[in-house]
Amino acid sequence: AAGVIQSPRHLIKEKRETATLKCYPIPRHDTVYWYQQGPGQDPQFLISFYEKMQSDKGSIPDRFSAQQFSDYHSELNMSSLELGDSALYFCASSFGGIGVNTEAFFGQGTRLTVV
Amino acid sequence: AQSVTQLDSQVPVFEEAPVELRCNYSSSVSVYLFWYVQYPNQGLQLLLKYLSGSTLVKGINGFEAEFNKSQTSFHLRKPSVHISDTAEYFCAVSGGGSQGNLIFGKGTKLSVKP
Repeated sequence: AAGVIQSPRHLIKEKRETATLKCYPIPRHDTVYWYQQGPGQDPQFLISFYEKMQSDKGSIPDRFSAQQFSDYHSELNMSSLELGDSALYFCASSFGGIGVNTEAFFGQGTRLTVV
Repeated sequence: AQSVTQLDSQVPVFEEAPVELRCNYSSSVSVYLFWYVQYPNQGLQLLLKYLSGSTLVKGINGFEAEFNKSQTSFHLRKPSVHISDTAEYFCAVSGGGSQGNLIFGKGTKLSVKP
């Protein structure tokens, strides 16, 4: 079965550069969630989208922005990168919006290294 | 506000021994609880979840967990572990009534030794 696809899988950027991470949800899924997992840390919820509208916001820095497109894929844009942004960034998707009965499926993540 | 506490950061155990990974939660609203497993350099895989109903939840790979409201716990158990169970395990609570917006604990690294 198709899963959540994230690209790229690995990314190396220098400080103050920008990065764009992409997430392709499972076909027919209309909701996307983004997480950040620092080295040795637990995943932290950043932001979510349902039907191309922001649905929930977590601890996303102001330097980051995200959107969901008409084909339901999502992009996380990160500007003025800092060393502390080095982390594994997960995307998850679900169908049917925000609700307790809709299971979310996680992608393999994009590992961002800022040097 | 919801929060999750995983009481053990590391749990070493011998192969075929039973294991329990402890998780306590704090929530002021309806509780939805999850256990995820993360293998090295991999994504998060759902092991099991409690939404409602029976307090004993069975998941994949022989794992089960019991929701205990009076003790605010959701401990994960397996009667006999394998080397392949070596991974990091995260307990999580729903942050907003959604299975996608989750608040995770700090994780427990399970090391299974031969």
